[in-house]
Amino acid sequence: SAVISQKPSRDICQRGTSLTIQCQVDSQVTMMFWYRQQPGQSLTLIATANQGSEATYESGFVIDKFPISRPNLTFSTLTVSNMSPEDSSIYLCSVEEMTITDTQYFGPGTRLTVL
Amino acid sequence: EDQVTQSPEALRLQEGESSSLNCSYTVSGLRGLFWYRQDPGKGPEFLFTLYSAGEEKEKERLKATLTKKESFLHITAPKPEDSATYLCAVRLGNNAGNMLTFGGGTRLMVKP
Repeated sequence: SAVISQKPSRDICQRGTSLTIQCQVDSQVTMMFWYRQQPGQSLTLIATANQGSEATYESGFVIDKFPISRPNLTFSTLTVSNMSPEDSSIYLCSVEEMTITDTQYFGPGTRLTVL
Repeated sequence: EDQVTQSPEALRLQEGESSSLNCSYTVSGLRGLFWYRQDPGKGPEFLFTLYSAGEEKEKERLKATLTKKESFLHITAPKPEDSATYLCAVRLGNNAGNMLTFGGGTRLMVKP
């Protein structure tokens, strides 16, 4: 399966600032996704990162708050804008490979704490 | 409304004590059910994909089964290193695209 890395692995940020999280894959993938995992909870899909076009956001998530880029088939970024303590979560990137369909593989996650 | 429910929320086992985790779903048009393992501070690790009722998959001490309403993850003679949170997720066969809907997870603790 694809090897997925995320940067940073963790960060502590001040209220009102923004953080950009990077997701890098070692092979070309068809689909890339961003999930949020709030403390003690399961995963919720934020958006699908589409290569060369705007991301597709799930209900409850908006582009102004979570802008996403996907400039090529191996890289994506998620920005958490104007952060508040409620944004403290683990943010996870996942991918679907071109050769193996239906299965999503996850990166190690970025643990964000907002003070 | 599409729902995925996992039970129990937490499970404590003695090493060697076999048990099962449950994932029940009420969805319209299942296109796949997935099991993941998540260790603290890490991303979910893929275990199995099941597509149709009656299907079974095995890996070491784990066996996943699927019926029309639920899936079971059977753990045979668990070891302390099997301690983790186990997540199930479903993909729908309608216009939901590639979205996965996750259950709340079962936190498994295996004591030596």
